[in-house]
Amino acid sequence: SQTIHQWPATLVQPVGSPLSLECTVEGTSNPNLYWYRQAAGRGLQLLFYSVGIGQISSEVPQNLSASRPQDRQFILSSKKLLLSDSGFYLCAWSRGSSSYNEQFFGPGTRLTVL
Amino acid sequence: QKEVEQNSGPLSVPEGAIASLNCTYSDRGSQSFFWYRQYSGKSPELIMSIYSNGDKEDGRFTAQLNKASQYVSLLIRDSQPSDSATYLCAVDAPFAGGTSYGKLTFGQGTILTVHP
Repeated sequence: SQTIHQWPATLVQPVGSPLSLECTVEGTSNPNLYWYRQAAGRGLQLLFYSVGIGQISSEVPQNLSASRPQDRQFILSSKKLLLSDSGFYLCAWSRGSSSYNEQFFGPGTRLTVL
Repeated sequence: QKEVEQNSGPLSVPEGAIASLNCTYSDRGSQSFFWYRQYSGKSPELIMSIYSNGDKEDGRFTAQLNKASQYVSLLIRDSQPSDSATYLCAVDAPFAGGTSYGKLTFGQGTILTVHP
């Protein structure tokens, strides 16, 4: 069976500090990977998606970036955090070869920028 | 801009009642439709997928899809307090001579409270 991991679970960072969130998927190959942000009381905002190693598409211009150094690893980064970067960051995967688009979410990272 | 709209909440139903959650979408080419359940402080969990017009039943959950009306709904029968959560409707981006890369557009969610 497939499993998706995210870490850290919670993070408190000062404004202007760097960020690195990691997501890994087990039990599948060549998944599509996604980063979402969910602000308090808000819907899911797609930030980045990736269909393969080194292939990243950005949905929203911002001070965040993403990388996919390995098939089942997806990293979200920032050089300098803003207060508005606070939120619940969710990584998700879907079967790359499937036309049915079911996405499965990791447990999330709750980021607070002070 | 592709849009997914959910009925405004919060929705409160008594235990044992039927909870009805509704969702409309703007892109007529969408082919895949999903309902996710999100408990407070947790990540979304996929509970139903539907791809064809009509009803799909899974235990106490029934998803209904009407592509002509661009409408998808989720019925929860015999609602339990454990069903209290935010329910998210998600719709795929349609194929346009290529692939959607599995991208989904999510609604804002409907908060459901089931009271004893």
